[in-house]
Amino acid sequence: QQQVKQSPQSLIVQKGGISIINCAYENTAFDYFPWYQQFPGKGPALLIAIRPDVSEKKEGRFTISFNKSAKQFSLHIMDSQPGDSATYFCAASEDGNEKLTFGTGTRLTIIP
Amino acid sequence: DAGVTQSPTHLIKTRGQQVTLRCSPISGHKSVSWYQQVLGQGPQFIFQYYEKEERGRGNFPDRFSARQFPNYSSELNVNALLLGDSALYLCASSLDRLGNSPLHFGNGTRLTVT
Repeated sequence: QQQVKQSPQSLIVQKGGISIINCAYENTAFDYFPWYQQFPGKGPALLIAIRPDVSEKKEGRFTISFNKSAKQFSLHIMDSQPGDSATYFCAASEDGNEKLTFGTGTRLTIIP
Repeated sequence: DAGVTQSPTHLIKTRGQQVTLRCSPISGHKSVSWYQQVLGQGPQFIFQYYEKEERGRGNFPDRFSARQFPNYSSELNVNALLLGDSALYLCASSLDRLGNSPLHFGNGTRLTVT
């Protein structure tokens, strides 16, 4: 049972543009929502994470927007750069549960 | 500081064989988790250990087992390998409980079952 749905599957954005990746979840017990970036041949690396007590969190060019009532959250990458080309995964977990449930990933390509 | 290290980086096994994958967490990290990442999909949780005790288990058959040693390193064992076990196996460590400290992943072991 897929508990975190991620879209789009792939995304092409021009350099300098805004990349937006969306995730939706079903389990209302989820209370920790991280985003991971993965380059080919590497493990996922944590980008930014949010808890449901805030609607937005920004770190540099990366912003998470969180809509608790809609059970959705999204990653915005501002001023996208070719070095941002990677696969991005959203994830979620419940308090007290050490398991991360991942989305299916979005392959982001930034073109010049 | 060194990150999470996993060995070997690549492995080829035959159906029915057994495999052991190894993981060394970041120094000072007491929690180790294992994930399976099939090509084109997100990682799936297999096990989590904290202070040498199993704290979580994902929806994987009993052919999968793991343990954590006194130095907090960990091994993942898979018996009676199937073709469908071919995947990237990721180890991750954290200082504290998930949500209180970030999960740091290694670069994984690529297992191919023929």
